[in-house]
Amino acid sequence: GAGVSQTPSNKVTEKGKYVELRCDPISGHTALYWYRQSLGQGPEFLIYFQGTGAADDSGLPNDRFFAVRPEGSVSTLKIQRTERGDSAVYLCASSPTWTGAAGTEAFFGQGTRLTVV
Amino acid sequence: GQQVMQIPQYQHVQEGEDFTTYCNSSTTLSNIQWYKQRPGGHPVFLIQLVKSGEVKKQKRLTFQFGEAKKNSSLHITATQTTDVGTYFCAGPRNNNDMRFGAGTRLTVKP
Repeated sequence: GAGVSQTPSNKVTEKGKYVELRCDPISGHTALYWYRQSLGQGPEFLIYFQGTGAADDSGLPNDRFFAVRPEGSVSTLKIQRTERGDSAVYLCASSPTWTGAAGTEAFFGQGTRLTVV
Repeated sequence: GQQVMQIPQYQHVQEGEDFTTYCNSSTTLSNIQWYKQRPGGHPVFLIQLVKSGEVKKQKRLTFQFGEAKKNSSLHITATQTTDVGTYFCAGPRNNNDMRFGAGTRLTVKP
């Protein structure tokens, strides 16, 4: 596709339920990132994939959060037993390689707004 | 761990006035990136600075990277209403990902 695609754009779920958020990165981008953004805050790093493997998952807040990227393209962020504090915009970004490399920008999707009620 | 701090948190200017946002890191950065996020939108890459003391310009925007590579600034000359949004700086942590500052939210009064 032309850009990073995230679905759904909005998700309302009840406390305690399980949710999956999908990210379809730009074709050919090996690096994929998940961020979480609360109102008035900057994007908060969650997890980074290089290819199929999670190169850095140190930003995941607890074991209720898990992400996969089985074929090195589409990624799914999974949240179990959702809590009201999980409400935020979940952003996915991709880049040709890891963004620490000079000259590599991250391309963000539009995000999924998750609301836990 | 590495933290990226931005000031000010908010800035309201009259159209035509200048605007500057500052970014400071607790550690030396290999590079720093700047992003703009319009209200309701997603972050969009503006520029990356790599060299100590580097200065880059994009039309009315001037980006600087400090000599010690621990701070950076974005200056907008003669703001326009199209400049409205939140400006984020981001620096790499452990060369794996970019850590974002809290951003500076710019509003412009026409």
